[in-house]
Order: sequence, then C-alpha cells, then structure tokens
Amino acid sequence: DAGITQSPRHKVTETGTPVTLRCHQTENHRYMYWYRQDPGHGLRLIHYSYGVKDTDKGEVSDGYSVSRSKTEDFLLTLESATSSQTSVYFCAIRVTGASYNEQFFGPGTRLTVL
Amino acid sequence: TQLLEQSPQFLSIQEGENLTVYCNSSSVFSSLQWYRQEPGEGPVLLVTVVTGGEVKKLKRLTFQFGDARKDSSLHITAAQPGDTGLYLCAGVRVNSNYQLIWGAGTKLIIKP
Repeated sequence: DAGITQSPRHKVTETGTPVTLRCHQTENHRYMYWYRQDPGHGLRLIHYSYGVKDTDKGEVSDGYSVSRSKTEDFLLTLESATSSQTSVYFCAIRVTGASYNEQFFGPGTRLTVL
Repeated sequence: TQLLEQSPQFLSIQEGENLTVYCNSSSVFSSLQWYRQEPGEGPVLLVTVVTGGEVKKLKRLTFQFGDARKDSSLHITAAQPGDTGLYLCAGVRVNSNYQLIWGAGTKLIIKP
C-alpha cells in the first residue's frame, strides 16, 4: 500500500459550481498524476506534477487546474463544473523511474455534475 | 485514435476456460505494463515487461512482450471468477516524454 487517499470519494454537484478534489500521499513520491476514467476511453491524463509548485498539462486539461503546495498533496480543481466532467477521477503516484513509469493508484473519486 | 489498441473490449467466459487479451500499437515501447482494476477501485499493477520477446508468469497469468516491442499479450489459463475485472495495458514510448500511454481496457467476466 503506497498510502494514497483521495477525498471526497463521491460527490454530486451542480453545473457551474467549483469543485476541488484532493489527493494525499504519505511516501514522498515526486511525481503525481490526475486521470479521469470514462467507459471506452481507458485512463486519460488531466495534469501531472513533478514536484512542489511544478505541474504540467495532460491530454484533457481544459476546464481543470491543479496545485501542489506540499509534496504530499495534489489538488484538482474544476473551476466551473460541467456535465461533461462527470467521471471517475483517479490520482496516481509514480513509484519507479521514468522509463518504467510504474504507477500506484488511489481509490478514486466518483463525481457527478447535474 | 487510441495509440494502444486492446482487444477484445469485452469477454465473458466460463470458469476453467483459457483466454488471451491483446494490446497492439504501431509505436515502439521501452516498457509495457498490465494493470487489473476491480469495480470501485483504482488499477493495480500486475507486471512490467521491458525486453522484446520477454515472457513473465504470475501464477496462471502469462504476459508476453512482442519481439519488436510494439505489442503484448496476456494469457490466462483455467480462468477463475476471481480473475474478473478490467485489464488495462499501458506503456512508455521510446523517445517520448515518459508519459504512460493507456489502452481502453478489456472487461473480463468469468462465470462460475
């Protein structure tokens, strides 16, 4: 167990409201990732971080922002939630080197935007 | 267009049967991983293959990396209901920014 927790685990919100999802790790890993998972699409990378205050965009970053002020916490914010952002969100940490990029995942957050 | 194509997308078989899941690409990968995901949980890493032609075994699961490192397969012998889940392949392409490329997954159901 790499000690990753996500909160909340479930959330229902309304279109246009801001939402922040939190990922917390206990093992000091440098790289952290936010993915969304939708049927038929597998996992799609939203944003990732390679250190405190160091973040970069993934393939589906529009409508999302992230922050990492401490090594252990990586926050994902939907500034104004839309129904297309209804999904299951997973946080992951990289536990090996770059050429392997093996990742350990949190339990996920199921977000519903009405 | 999915850079890693998994097939089949869905497979439902009886306990005791054998099956193979495929992960194919036109790109060359420096490493390729297989994950299993159960409902309501995050994916869990099963294995990583890195050498062309490499074969790894995990109990009844056999993983193979293609000689050209463009494809991989997962073979399950005598499938059990506990093998039920979503199987995902993911890889790091050579000469890339080291981001993982993911397949869309194979949903496997093993009926008792």
